[in-house]
Amino acid sequence: GENVEQHPSTLSVQEGDSAVIKCTYSDSASNYFPWYKQELGKRPQLIIDIRSNVGEKKDQRIAVTLNKTAKHFSLHITETQPEDSAVYFCAASLTGFQKLVFGTGTRLLVSP
Amino acid sequence: DGGITQSPKYLFRKEGQNVTLSCEQNLNHDAMYWYRQDPGQGLRLIYYSQIVNDFQKGDIAEGYSVSREKKESFPLTVTSAQKNPTAFYLCASSIEGSYYEQFFGPGTRLTVL
Repeated sequence: GENVEQHPSTLSVQEGDSAVIKCTYSDSASNYFPWYKQELGKRPQLIIDIRSNVGEKKDQRIAVTLNKTAKHFSLHITETQPEDSAVYFCAASLTGFQKLVFGTGTRLLVSP
Repeated sequence: DGGITQSPKYLFRKEGQNVTLSCEQNLNHDAMYWYRQDPGQGLRLIYYSQIVNDFQKGDIAEGYSVSREKKESFPLTVTSAQKNPTAFYLCASSIEGSYYEQFFGPGTRLTVL
């Protein structure tokens, strides 16, 4: 089955810096890659997603890139703010399936 | 934050007891899911259901059971066969299909005493 690895597990940056979180997946048939943000004590929420027919997608300060050949995708956050502090999860799924396989999460801490 | 609810927020159980966690959604979503969240392990899929009266095992189904008698409801029973049930349980729902956002409930924290 699909396996998703996520790095780093913890990331500390200064406010205004950029943050990058990387994920790799094992099943080349996976074609949908969402990113969820979970603030402390709250439920996970989708922040951005990408499909395999697209190499990059951007939404204001966040962007996701996908390298299908290498089977990895990354979340980029620019101009980080303290409210970006949270746990971020990447995930992957196969066409026609409902299952999302999640990475183990990255705890991002943005210091003022 | 409305749309998908879970109850109770906190649940305490004695060893050897079964316990049922509630999940209800009013989003008219066909698909519903149960995940377990442990520190450092991300979200792991327990069961999912794509339609009423049908459900599939996820990656860690042992010791758990579910039912899907109504579109709006997907209760999870943690049985005494689950060896390490203390965890945070999240329910989610989505439109049926591969590319749709999963909406999560607020979660239930289960502690076995």
